[in-house]
Formats: sequence, structure tokens, C-alpha cells
Amino acid sequence: NAGVTQTPKFQVLKTGQSMTLQCAQDMNHEYMSWYRQDPGMGLRLIHYSVGAGITDQGEVPNGYNVSRSTTEDFPLRLLSAAPSQTSVYFCASSYDRGRRNTGELFFGEGSRLTVL
Amino acid sequence: DAKTTQPPSMDCAEGRAANLPCNHSTISGNEYVYWYRQIHSQGPQYIIHGLKNNETNEMASLIITEDRKSSTLILPHATLRDTAVYYCIVSPRTGAGSYQLTFGKGTKLSVIP
Repeated sequence: NAGVTQTPKFQVLKTGQSMTLQCAQDMNHEYMSWYRQDPGMGLRLIHYSVGAGITDQGEVPNGYNVSRSTTEDFPLRLLSAAPSQTSVYFCASSYDRGRRNTGELFFGEGSRLTVL
Repeated sequence: DAKTTQPPSMDCAEGRAANLPCNHSTISGNEYVYWYRQIHSQGPQYIIHGLKNNETNEMASLIITEDRKSSTLILPHATLRDTAVYYCIVSPRTGAGSYQLTFGKGTKLSVIP
């Protein structure tokens, strides 16, 4: 049971490049989300999904796209990377928090992105 | 506007109980108190949650005041591995509001040998 798996763990981009951060979970969780964490700060929600085909914006969605074609995967796309997107990105999943919230949100180990 | 207020940092001697306070004076009747921790730069880890009764699990105890305006997370015998940032979060357990957990800056707990 791998839990929440994020790839890549480290990435360096140049301004304007695009890339996708991958997130996969094997716990059959309906809810998945992406957070970013800047130095010395808490986590800020970017986008979330409550099931395949359903996504919604969080606190800081600008510059990021998401899709949820399967229950297992929730990729985060940066279409044109900017230095302000340099951050650590965390993916998290849980059972549907709207219906049967057991309390626990499972996090991946993070993807560290640097945009030059 | 922040839903919770936590001290930015605390120290605790190894082997002693660590008591981490959290103020949530505007908590609503349907909101739970959740605690997570983040060790170094790892992904946050769930610790415990509660509504109004005190809760205990293998990791910690959660004490919520009767008026629910504040709570305390207790690590009964702190070890060096408990050094981490601890986040106190309030959120509805169900419904649309439960989809957006807000992590503030938390409390940096340093366990000292």
C-alpha cells in the first residue's frame, strides 16, 4: 500500500516552461487536493477534487490547472511557470470529506519546484 | 481572517509532556478541531480531531474547553522525534466547508534533550 505518491520530488524550470506534477493514490479516496507551501508559511490550497470529473478552486488557483479523469490520479499543471511558483507542492487525499469525513487527510512527501 | 491562533514556537524537555494551545474563539457548532504535524519538510501527518469531548489516541490527547473556544494538544512523553510544526485547524466535518482545510503557520515545537 503506497499511499499518496508524488512525482517528481525535485524539479527546476525556466520561466515560461510548462510541466505537470503527478499525484496518485491507491486508497480509493474520493477527495484529492493540491497545496503549496512557501518558506516559513503554512499550506495554501490550490485546487481540489471530490471525484472523477469534478474539480474546484482553492485559495490560490491562478497559474495552475487540474483534471481528474480517474479516481487514482490528480495531476497539477503549470502552463507557463513563473518564479512566484517556486514552492513545495503537496498532494493530499481522503474519503469524501463532504459525506463521510473520517478526519484524516493523507499527504504525499512533496514536490520541490524551483522556477528560475 | 484566521480561524485559529497558535503560539509561533514552544520548547519542551524530552520525556516531559508537551502541551500545545490553540485558540479558536469563533468556532461554529458544526466545526471540528483537527491537529496535524509536519516533521521537517515532510508531508503533514494527521494526529487527532474532536468536537467537544476530550479525545485520546496512540499519539496524543486533545482537550477542548467546555465553551469550545480553545483546545490543547497533549503529547504525554515528548521525544526528539516529536520536534515538528503542529497545526490546529477548525473545519466542518461534512458539507462543502469540509473541502478546504486552512493550515496556518502552526507552532514550532522543539523537544530538547
